[in-house]
Amino acid sequence: GEDVEQSLFLSVREGDSSVINCTYTDSSSTYLYWYKQEPGAGLQLLTYIFSNMDMKQDQRLTVLLNKKDKHLSLRIADTQTGDSAIYFCAESLSGNTPLVFGKGTRLSVIA
Amino acid sequence: GAVVSQHPSRVICKSGTSVKIECRSLDFQATTMFWYRQFPKQSLMLMATSNEGSKATYEQGVEKDKFLINHASLTLSTLTVTSAHPEDSSFYICSARRGASWNEQFFGPGTRLTVL
Repeated sequence: GEDVEQSLFLSVREGDSSVINCTYTDSSSTYLYWYKQEPGAGLQLLTYIFSNMDMKQDQRLTVLLNKKDKHLSLRIADTQTGDSAIYFCAESLSGNTPLVFGKGTRLSVIA
Repeated sequence: GAVVSQHPSRVICKSGTSVKIECRSLDFQATTMFWYRQFPKQSLMLMATSNEGSKATYEQGVEKDKFLINHASLTLSTLTVTSAHPEDSSFYICSARRGASWNEQFFGPGTRLTVL
């Protein structure tokens, strides 16, 4: 079955870069996502990447995909205190299939 | 943008009672809605997929008679937790898919259910 793994915690200093890593097991995964969840709130789609892409950059966010190793990372440049949240990696086999989420990485930003 | 609301945001109920949670797509029609459950420090676990006008498809291990899902219109899906028990306490999140495109799935803010 599909499985998505993430480290549970990450702590960085304000202004530094954060790198959140994710691995997935299903090589058929076509769509890979990063979601942000602030305390007591729902999920906000941050960015996404298709499996035929290696990298995607969107302002402070850079997503890197190593399809061979089934490894996905999210880099947040110039991390701010407002970036403190839980970040979920998710994958789906197609646009019509439900998302499979990792357990989430809690990012703490130290001022 | 596309907005999904959930009501209520928080509910506390006594053991044995039933609780209904609403999920609405406010500015788009959702052919498919998903219901997730999130335990503390855990991932979102998909409970069921509901398509408007048809029966929901439940994931393995989710009791259909316990978690009743109704998707009566293109903008509303409801999850009813019947005869709730303390172990049903959780954060329930819905999402709504606008079209066939992969990224058109929008999440509600979640409902915190506490069963005493």
